[in-house]
Amino acid sequence: KAGVTQTPRYLIKTRGQQVTLSCSPISGHRSVSWYQQTPGQGLQFLFEYFSETQRNKGNFPGRFSGRQFSNSRSEMNVSTLELGDSALYLCASSGNWDTQYFGPGTRLTVL
Amino acid sequence: GIQVEQSPPDLILQEGANSTLRCNFSDSVNNLQWFHQNPWGQLINLFYIPSGTKQNGRLSATTVATERYSLLYISSSQTTDSGVYFCAALSGGYNKLIFGAGTRLAVHP
Repeated sequence: KAGVTQTPRYLIKTRGQQVTLSCSPISGHRSVSWYQQTPGQGLQFLFEYFSETQRNKGNFPGRFSGRQFSNSRSEMNVSTLELGDSALYLCASSGNWDTQYFGPGTRLTVL
Repeated sequence: GIQVEQSPPDLILQEGANSTLRCNFSDSVNNLQWFHQNPWGQLINLFYIPSGTKQNGRLSATTVATERYSLLYISSSQTTDSGVYFCAALSGGYNKLIFGAGTRLAVHP
């Protein structure tokens, strides 16, 4: 089976812009979770989608949003980018409530 | 919510040495995973181990759920073992993993 894929791998944006990141889960997995990793805050949960529904959300401002499509692919969007949004964004897929498999990540730099 | 603490934060080893990484969690868990983050940032699954003991080559892990800790053992370490090791726990429903701060391991030849 192919692993979790994320696009793009690298992204450079300027403050105030918006960005959309994409995640394709492992075939057959219906749960997709998103995490942000920064040197200061570590790995933090953003949100989780299951069958196109957001089931859980972390403690992030409303500028961070996401969605899941009927084929389980997911996108996350960050609007009005701030310098502090520079981070590695990781998505994970899971078949059920056990092992989560992570993609390679999208490294976002906000200038 | 659940809190996850890892120790030590940093570890330096000579190639061939053994090491033990610890993960403490503050509440009962129904999912405990260990990951190795490679230099490019990807989290590589090592173990899914909410309880019991598992082994995979030179690596093994033990989770004592009743005492709320998990241990990752690395034997005969190699330079390729270098990187950051994370444990992450899930408590309650849905797939919200809570990560520890990680243990940064450096193995020197």
